[in-house]
Amino acid sequence: EPEVTQTPSHQVTQMGQEVILRCVPISNHLYFYWYRQILGQKVEFLVSFYNNEISEKSEIFDDQFSVERPDGSNFTLKIRSTKLEDSAMYFCASRSGGDPNTEAFFGQGTRLTVV
Amino acid sequence: AQSVTQLGSHVSVSEGALVLLRCNYSSSVPPYLFWYVQYPNQGLQLLLKYTSAATLVKGINGFEAEFKKSETSFHLTKPSAHMSDAAEYFCAVSAGGGSNYKLTFGKGTLLTVNP
Repeated sequence: EPEVTQTPSHQVTQMGQEVILRCVPISNHLYFYWYRQILGQKVEFLVSFYNNEISEKSEIFDDQFSVERPDGSNFTLKIRSTKLEDSAMYFCASRSGGDPNTEAFFGQGTRLTVV
Repeated sequence: AQSVTQLGSHVSVSEGALVLLRCNYSSSVPPYLFWYVQYPNQGLQLLLKYTSAATLVKGINGFEAEFKKSETSFHLTKPSAHMSDAAEYFCAVSAGGGSNYKLTFGKGTLLTVNP
């Protein structure tokens, strides 16, 4: 069964360093998302991406964050200068269509720890 | 704006007992509602979804949920809990416009099943 894959599964980084979280969405999907879950809190929307551009971003997604689909398969989330409060589980998701009830498929997540 | 409230961050049941996980939503437009499950060290997996076709929705692993507009609820039930049901469960509402239907999640309910 096709699945969304994320790498790495766990990343530890020092405050102020740049990190890139990688995702390979399901191959025929067109809509891509990043969510995050801070420990003990709810899963929060960060950004959505369609047709090679951001379609929506949340307040959390400030100038320190960026997304890219560099080669038509990978979908990356970059945090330019990490802060302690960026420590969270980051989930990538993809959908095949824009219909609101189209299922979003999630990856297993990358646990980011900023020290 | 849409929001989801999950009552009870932790529910504990005995094996064979009824599982009831509560979810209430707030939405200014007809909602699309989802239940996702997260097993330890895994990503989010769709259990079931409400798309206005039927108010009682059946999902995987014997779970079902009933959409009650008058109560703005979408509670998840399973008649008989199994040890393998132990996981975290998230209720979500699909919100957005155009082709961008991001998910707004509740805080999650951790289900423990006791032998």
